[in-house]
Amino acid sequence: KAGVTQTPRYLIKTRGQQVTLSCSPISGHRSVSWYQQTPGQGLQFLFEYFSETQRNKGNFPGRFSGRQFSNSRSEMNVSTLELGDSALYLCASSLGVNDEQYFGPGTRLTVT
Amino acid sequence: AQSVSQHNHHVILSEAASLELGCNYSYGGTVNLFWYVQYPGQHLQLLLKYFSGDPLVKGIKGFEAEFIKSKFSFNLRKPSVQWSDTAEYFCAVNLGSSNTGKLIFGQGTTLQVKP
Repeated sequence: KAGVTQTPRYLIKTRGQQVTLSCSPISGHRSVSWYQQTPGQGLQFLFEYFSETQRNKGNFPGRFSGRQFSNSRSEMNVSTLELGDSALYLCASSLGVNDEQYFGPGTRLTVT
Repeated sequence: AQSVSQHNHHVILSEAASLELGCNYSYGGTVNLFWYVQYPGQHLQLLLKYFSGDPLVKGIKGFEAEFIKSKFSFNLRKPSVQWSDTAEYFCAVNLGSSNTGKLIFGQGTTLQVKP
């Protein structure tokens, strides 16, 4: 079974721009969560989707948003990028909400 | 706010030494507990998990962890480490009663195993 895939793997953007990251979960998984990983803050929860509904959101500004499609694929969007948004963005999928999560390789976003 | 604390930030061991990484969480309710590993250049992989039942759980690659509810702890152990265990290890907690998949991660422990 293929694992979680994320595209693109690397991205360089300029301050003020916006970016969209994509995540394809493991086949059959309906829950998708997003995390931000930085050296200073570690792994922080962004949001969680199940059956196209956002079930939970972390403590991030409204510039961070996401959605999930009917095929369980998910996207997250960051608008008006700031230097501090430079991070590794990880997507994880699970069968159901409380099941173990399997992580993708991440998208490395660099904001200049 | 709920939090997860990993006591050791950087551990250096020689091959064949025993390993124990500490993890404590602050939440009084039902929890699901996980250990993830991130090998250099690779993505996060699930080592083991605890949902309920036997508090001693075994995972992949010879790792095990013990859930001690009274101590709010979920320490990771391995009797004899190998050079290939060099990686970053993350403890994570899900609040089982919250009906959400949100994971709260510890800051991670970098393990360096010397050959």
